[in-house]
Amino acid sequence: QQQVKQSPQSLIVQKGGISIINCAYENTAFDYFPWYQQFPGKGPALLIAIRPDVSEKKEGRFTISFNKSAKQFSLHIMDSQPGDSATYFCAASRGSGGSNYKLTFGKGTLLTVNP
Amino acid sequence: GAGVSQSPSNKVTEKGKDVELRCDPISGHTALYWYRQSLGQGLEFLIYFQGNSAPDKSGLPSDRFSAERTGGSVSTLTIQRTQQEDSAVYLCASRDSGRSEQYFGPGTRLTVT
Repeated sequence: QQQVKQSPQSLIVQKGGISIINCAYENTAFDYFPWYQQFPGKGPALLIAIRPDVSEKKEGRFTISFNKSAKQFSLHIMDSQPGDSATYFCAASRGSGGSNYKLTFGKGTLLTVNP
Repeated sequence: GAGVSQSPSNKVTEKGKDVELRCDPISGHTALYWYRQSLGQGLEFLIYFQGNSAPDKSGLPSDRFSAERTGGSVSTLTIQRTQQEDSAVYLCASRDSGRSEQYFGPGTRLTVT
């Protein structure tokens, strides 16, 4: 059972464009939703995260939109740059009630930003 | 400050041999996680340590996998009698208790021949 579904698998965007990656989750107990960026040969790096009590969070060019009723969240990368080319993973976890924040990941999206 | 470190960065072993992978978490982080990243299964949780509490081993795929954390800091993941399907990148992450963010190390790429 895949608890976090991520789409698309791959995405090609022109420099300056908007990249949008979507995720959907099944477990309503999840209460923490981070996005990670991974370059080849490196570990995942935390990009931005959101909790379900807000519908949007923005940090620089990166924005998470969250729809609790639809159990969906998405990452928007504004003014995409070639340096943003990487694999992006959404994830979900539960931290409340003494839970341990173990992450359930989506399958990843390979983003390519053409110059 | 220093991030999460892992060693070795690459490990090639023969089927049937035992391997040990090491993780040094960020100083002061009491929570430590092991994950596995493979082409077929993506990123999967393996095991979680928090202070002196019993570890959450719910993600370990078989009894050939074990892990320990000594002194609340360094952790070692051991895979006994390695199989080809164990080939993957093994990632360690740590978290400061009271916070949500997990920070990952660079991983150990394990290849079983």
